[in-house]
Amino acid sequence: GAGVSQSPSNKVTEKGKDVELRCDPISGHTALYWYRQRLGQGLEFLIYFQGNSAPDKSGLPSDRFSAERTGESVSTLTIQRTQQEDSAVYLCASSLDRADEKLFFGSGTQLSVL
Amino acid sequence: GESVGLHLPTLSVQEGDNSIINCAYSNSASDYFIWYKQESGKGPQFIIDIRSNMDKRQGQRVTVLLNKTVKHLSLQIAATQPGDSAVYFCAEKTAGNKLTFGGGTRVLVKP
Repeated sequence: GAGVSQSPSNKVTEKGKDVELRCDPISGHTALYWYRQRLGQGLEFLIYFQGNSAPDKSGLPSDRFSAERTGESVSTLTIQRTQQEDSAVYLCASSLDRADEKLFFGSGTQLSVL
Repeated sequence: GESVGLHLPTLSVQEGDNSIINCAYSNSASDYFIWYKQESGKGPQFIIDIRSNMDKRQGQRVTVLLNKTVKHLSLQIAATQPGDSAVYFCAEKTAGNKLTFGGGTRVLVKP
């Protein structure tokens, strides 16, 4: 695709529900990243994929958070039993490969947990 | 620990003036730095990057300066325009090729 695509763009959920956030990276990009951005804050690293493997998942805040990637393409970030503190913008980025530091970001998913 | 921070959370600048956004980093081993611009409701967009073997790099209306002695990074925007209003983030490459971002500086361009 022309750019990184994320869906949905907005998600409102009730506390305790599970949510799935989707990321379609730029075609041919083997590295994929998830970041979280709380209101007025910087970007917080969550997890990184090289191909379908996640060599670095050190930023996942708790075991309620998980992510997978299939076909070296689409990635899904799942948050189980959402809490109000999970409310944030979840940004996905991709790069050509692990050595390429320049990340291309999607527009993010705004998650609101009521 | 590793951290990237910013001195000014908000910068107001008159249209046509030059803007300077500052960033401090703590990891002297970092060898790559990058600036992103984030407009409201959008994801961060790449502006310019620099490697540690350089002191200065210029783009279109933007210049990044790197002072490794004091671990300081700055972004200069020449002739600031209304379209430059956004939040600007610096980031450094840390272990595992991970970008660690600072907290961001909001630039407001006054007409």
